[in-house]
Amino acid sequence: DTEVTQTPKHLVMGMTNKKSLKCEQHMGHRAMYWYKQKAKKPPELMFVYSYEKLSINESVPSRFSPECPNSSLLNLHLHALQPEDSALYLCASSQRTSGRGRNEQFFGPGTRLTVL
Amino acid sequence: SQQGEEDPQALSIQEGENATMNCSYKTSINNLQWYRQNSGRGLVHLILIRSNEREKHSGRLRVTLDTSKKSSSLLITASRAADTASYFCATDALSNTGKLIFGQGTTLQVKP
Repeated sequence: DTEVTQTPKHLVMGMTNKKSLKCEQHMGHRAMYWYKQKAKKPPELMFVYSYEKLSINESVPSRFSPECPNSSLLNLHLHALQPEDSALYLCASSQRTSGRGRNEQFFGPGTRLTVL
Repeated sequence: SQQGEEDPQALSIQEGENATMNCSYKTSINNLQWYRQNSGRGLVHLILIRSNEREKHSGRLRVTLDTSKKSSSLLITASRAADTASYFCATDALSNTGKLIFGQGTTLQVKP
């Protein structure tokens, strides 16, 4: 299984809602990532988990809360979002984060989030 | 901050022609990777070239890396309409954090 899955594919939420994005991989990868991507822009890194521990938080507002329950799952909890948070949210995984070896990232199809 | 810059920003060619995209970066790297993204979808890893490699091939793809100039190029030969997508270079710096720095991307349109 070389796939990263993300649910839901689309999400519309109000500014007072609480929702969660989910990501799953069964490739045995020990690094997982959350990215935010605006239209016609490159992905922007939000969080990195390495061996289920948060290793990078790119100064992301606290209304985004990541969680890594186990080595296969990654969640992104959303609360009190703003309309400017509307974007494509991408999850990715790689074998590991460090070393000079192959650390290409495998991306999921993304969740298209709209905040009203 | 984004350290990868790509050019051109947009490229339109006919099927069968070759497409070349360039990427420049600022800091020393472990490797440089190229990804493709079809409209509104996830990124697909195409090819990885390590800092001690100068050229790499994968099917119709050819990637070069010049670490002295801090630049890379991606050549797609005999392009097809299905190659229409955005292409991003991404650098893995020496931080060993897994963080990739993406370039701004090149939008390629291949006309049938």
